[in-house]
Amino acid sequence: GAVVSQHPSRVICKSGTSVKIECRSLDFQATTMFWYRQFPKKSLMLMATSNEGSKATYEQGVEKDKFLINHASLTLSTLTVTSAHPEDSSFYICSASASGNPGANVLTFGAGSRLTVL
Amino acid sequence: GENVEQHPSTLSVQEGDSAVIKCTYSDSASNYFPWYKQELGKRPQLIIDIRSNVGEKKDQRIAVTLNKTAKHFSLHITETQPEDSAVYFCAASKGSNYQLIWGAGTKLIIKP
Repeated sequence: GAVVSQHPSRVICKSGTSVKIECRSLDFQATTMFWYRQFPKKSLMLMATSNEGSKATYEQGVEKDKFLINHASLTLSTLTVTSAHPEDSSFYICSASASGNPGANVLTFGAGSRLTVL
Repeated sequence: GENVEQHPSTLSVQEGDSAVIKCTYSDSASNYFPWYKQELGKRPQLIIDIRSNVGEKKDQRIAVTLNKTAKHFSLHITETQPEDSAVYFCAASKGSNYQLIWGAGTKLIIKP
């Protein structure tokens, strides 16, 4: 089945630095990728929707200059948390959907990235 | 826009009993309703989904029912087992943009 690989799984960084998280679809082309943030014991909060080759669409309240999303190819999307602060510490998860897939509503999730900002 | 409400937030059942989680949605144009299971620290996994052209779908111990008139759908787990303990999320979407509107989640606890 469809597989989405997300790296790194855990990252610890100092306040003020930037962190890049990658999300790759391994065996299918993902025209659309979604980035979520999940707080402990909470639901998935959609941050942005990225379509290959175009600018990401950010949800209300999500700072696009802080959370940079790039979807340069059909198999790779990246989320860069710029000038990270402790309040950015969270679990970030990506998901992807395949193009031209009859079951196109089915999402495949990455394993998530736990970011801790000191 | 679409709003999805999920209840209960926590559900504790005895092993072997059934568990039911309910979700309501607001947008009658929604046509796809998946359920995801997320174990602690892991990625959400699709366990079952239903589209608006059917009223019920079953897969072994798991079933989902959809009432389009009332705009609610439910997850039913029978003969619960310890490995069913997890957080379950419902979601709804419409059209082809794949964007899901998520419920708040239900923590299911299976008591031995």
